[in-house]
Amino acid sequence: AQSVTQLDSHVSVSEGTPVLLRCNYSSSYSPSLFWYVQHPNKGLQLLLKYTSAATLVKGINGFEAEFKKSETSFHLTKPSAHMSDAAEYFCVVSDQNSGYALNFGKGTSLLVTP
Amino acid sequence: NAGVTQTPKFQVLKTGQSMTLQCAQDMNHEYMSWYRQDPGMGLRLIHYSVGAGITDQGEVPNGYNVSRSTTEDFPLRLLSAAPSQTSVYFCASSYSRFSGNTIYFGEGSWLTVV
Repeated sequence: AQSVTQLDSHVSVSEGTPVLLRCNYSSSYSPSLFWYVQHPNKGLQLLLKYTSAATLVKGINGFEAEFKKSETSFHLTKPSAHMSDAAEYFCVVSDQNSGYALNFGKGTSLLVTP
Repeated sequence: NAGVTQTPKFQVLKTGQSMTLQCAQDMNHEYMSWYRQDPGMGLRLIHYSVGAGITDQGEVPNGYNVSRSTTEDFPLRLLSAAPSQTSVYFCASSYSRFSGNTIYFGEGSWLTVV
């Protein structure tokens, strides 16, 4: 079974500084990994996805993530935080043959201070 | 295309009442799923369907019932609501069972059981 662990439940950064949201995964097979963002009282938006192509994945709004098989990690980064990045972020894994069933991490709440 | 449409967006129920959360998609997707979101828990899979007439249980199916009579619709039924079912519910659909394909989420349904 696949699972993900988001290592931080809350992360606080200053506007203009780098963002690092950490995610480790557990999977018996080659996983597909995703990052979703949820702004307060809103739905889910896909930031980026890894599906066994390039290990460095670029997403929307300047976010990117690197798949590291040796470390079983898929950390999300952004060089410079913006106030609008404040939201809940979810790391997600799915099996390659059951892509409709997602396993979500518990989420990391990102706070951006002026 | 409307995408994935969920109704109602907000609902307050009394303990013991029944209700149905509606989910419809207009993209001719075979795969549909229901998730619930609770604070600090991420999203958890309730039920899913791999086509009309075919449904199966996810991680947290107890207290919920589903059916899939058409490709477009995948309603979620609460037969006797309990306070533990207070949550935000998301419906999702996808074209393929293979991971990496885009999964479309509805906007969510906020349910409170008192």
